[in-house]
Amino acid sequence: QVQLQESGPGLVKPSQTLSLTCTVSGGSISTDSYYWSWIRQPAGKGLEWIGRIYISGSTNYNPSLKSRVTILLDTSKNQFSLKLSSVTAADTAVYYCAREAVATEGRFDYWGQGTLVTVSS
Amino acid sequence: QSALTQPRSVSGSPGQSVTISCTGTSSDVGGYNYVSWYQQYPGKAPKLMIYDVSKRPSGVPDRFSGSKSGNTASLTISGLQAEDEADYYCNSYAGSYTFYVFGTGTKVTVL
Repeated sequence: QVQLQESGPGLVKPSQTLSLTCTVSGGSISTDSYYWSWIRQPAGKGLEWIGRIYISGSTNYNPSLKSRVTILLDTSKNQFSLKLSSVTAADTAVYYCAREAVATEGRFDYWGQGTLVTVSS
Repeated sequence: QSALTQPRSVSGSPGQSVTISCTGTSSDVGGYNYVSWYQQYPGKAPKLMIYDVSKRPSGVPDRFSGSKSGNTASLTISGLQAEDEADYYCNSYAGSYTFYVFGTGTKVTVL
């Protein structure tokens, strides 16, 4: 059974960089069958897709966040990471990592439990 | 890219059917057969219920069904049960620039 687990600081100061890691267990991240994605949800609001990475290192990002987002893969640790720079209070949200099947679009079949990141001084 | 439009809430009695709409544009819902639906309980991660408009992952009850007509997708829950009370979000592929748009979310209440 595949499991994903987010980790990282729960509090980030404005203008700094938010950094999160997603550790994948029960399956290898080094597969050509899945993308590895980040999705966030501000409190009481809807979901927002941030971006994804493929085993080749190829990435796709939400255009509204593209200038500030970097997603990386670490196959040796079976992890992938998110970096979001120049954060503001608007970036306060629960951040989820998720697995997406390559065979189709938008099939996020496994999710982490989510981690709350608050942007505040 | 704007979020897909969903009703804020729908409700029904146990055993009844409810349908949640998800309205987009020809650039997302209407343009691709890549609509998915997610169920989310408070404080929990979303769970995939439907993908590719109408396909159900293994383990999802067949009470859940999906469809699409034009720019509007729909999720129908038949034989409503107390455990179906949750928030539901639609998602659509929107092309190789925007990629994905989620819906505004619908709270399903079982009366």
